[in-house]
Amino acid sequence: DAGVIQSPRHEVTEMGQEVTLRCKPISGHDYLFWYRQTMMRGLELLIYFNNNVPIDDSGMPEDRFSAKMPNASFSTLKIQPSEPRDSAVYFCASSASGFWGTQYFGPGTRLLVL
Amino acid sequence: GNSVTQMEGPVTLSEEAFLTINCTYTATGYPSLFWYVQYPGEGLQLLLKATKADDKGSNKGFEATYRKETTSFHLEKGSVQVSDSAVYFCALGRGGSEKLVFGKGMKLTVNP
Repeated sequence: DAGVIQSPRHEVTEMGQEVTLRCKPISGHDYLFWYRQTMMRGLELLIYFNNNVPIDDSGMPEDRFSAKMPNASFSTLKIQPSEPRDSAVYFCASSASGFWGTQYFGPGTRLLVL
Repeated sequence: GNSVTQMEGPVTLSEEAFLTINCTYTATGYPSLFWYVQYPGEGLQLLLKATKADDKGSNKGFEATYRKETTSFHLEKGSVQVSDSAVYFCALGRGGSEKLVFGKGMKLTVNP
């Protein structure tokens, strides 16, 4: 298997622009997680899905952030409008058995908002 | 609530040195404990885990023992290599719908 695939790997944008991050989980995994990693706050869970349904979005920082999972093989995390404080590395991870099981992380998207 | 406290580093060691990264936790009940590793430019990957007290997880020469009496899960390796240079995260999970709780991570650099 190719593992979790994320795109783009790097994104540089200007404040106010819309940013869309994409993730393809490992085939057969029914849980998908979006994390954000910064030096100040470490690794934070933003939202997770089970069978394409959002289960817990309490980690989403504010209404500017939204996530969707239209099918089992694709998810997006959108920031609109983006702000400099959103600069971080965003990871997608998938799992076959939720939090009990091993989470497989993608390589991350490094976002820089100018 | 559940929490994990780990050494933050950064730590620099010479090749073949002994490594210990401390991790202690606070949780109710019987959590599972994990060590994840993040190599430069990559996502996190599971290094080892333990699901109950006195379990020892091991992988790639790394070991950690789930100590309920000291609420600890310290990571050890007898002889580190340059390729072990990475950031190491301790994590706790209660299962079900509860989130994994990660420590802040510790950056390890191993010099030849």
